[in-house]
Amino acid sequence: ETGVTQTPRHLVMGMTNKKSLKCEQHLGHNAMYWYKQSAKKPLELMFVYSLEERVENNSVPSRFSPECPNSSHLFLHLHTLQPEDSALYLCASSQDQTISSYEQYFGPGTRLTVT
Amino acid sequence: QQPVQSPQAVILREGEDAVINCSSSKALYSVHWYRQKHGEAPVFLMILLKGGEQKGHEKISASFNEKKQQSSLYLTASQLSYSGTYFCEDSGPFGAGSYQLTFGKGTKLSVIP
Repeated sequence: ETGVTQTPRHLVMGMTNKKSLKCEQHLGHNAMYWYKQSAKKPLELMFVYSLEERVENNSVPSRFSPECPNSSHLFLHLHTLQPEDSALYLCASSQDQTISSYEQYFGPGTRLTVT
Repeated sequence: QQPVQSPQAVILREGEDAVINCSSSKALYSVHWYRQKHGEAPVFLMILLKGGEQKGHEKISASFNEKKQQSSLYLTASQLSYSGTYFCEDSGPFGAGSYQLTFGKGTKLSVIP
C-alpha cells in the first residue's frame, strides 16, 4: 500500500465503548498528526507526533488518547465518548519535524458516529 | 485563532479565474493550501514560507504577504476538476510548545461547464 491509510473507515460506537483508530503511513515520514473535522467547522488539530514523541496536544479531552509506537503507526484510543465527538477523524503525516515547512499527506479518514 | 478565508463560496464557469484569500491574526511562519473534494481527504496544493520560498504544484500559484499576514491562492483557466473546498492552514514559528497550526473554514469552489 502507498500513502496514508486509516482503519476502520467507518465506526459506530456507544458512549460506554472503547475503540481505537489506526493510521499507517508508507512514506517514510517522521511526523504524524490527528485532526478532527466536524460539519461546518474548520479542521481542528488534535495531536502531533514527531519522531514518536508528542510535540503538540491542543487541549484535547482525555477521552482521546493517542499512541505512536513507531514513526509509521499512529493510534487514537477512544473511551466514554460523547455524541458531539461524532466527526471525521483524519490522520496525516509529513516529512520532517520542522512541521511548518513540509506539506502534510492525509489519510481518507475514519467517520465516527457516537450513539 | 483561525485564519479567515474569503470568499466563503464561489461559482465559476470553465476557463474563468478565481482568487481565494486567507488572512491571519498571528505572525506567520508559513501558509499551506489544501483542496478537499466531497468525501475525500484534503490534498496538498502549496506551501509558502516566510522569506519567499514556495513549494507546490506547477499549475497553482499563490502569494504570501508577511507584513499583512495574508496569503492568496490564484486559480487560472479553471477546470471542472478544480471544484472542491479550499483550505488555508497557517502556522507561527514554533514557540511555547506549539506550532499553532490552524485551518480556515474553507472556500467552496464550484466550476460549471
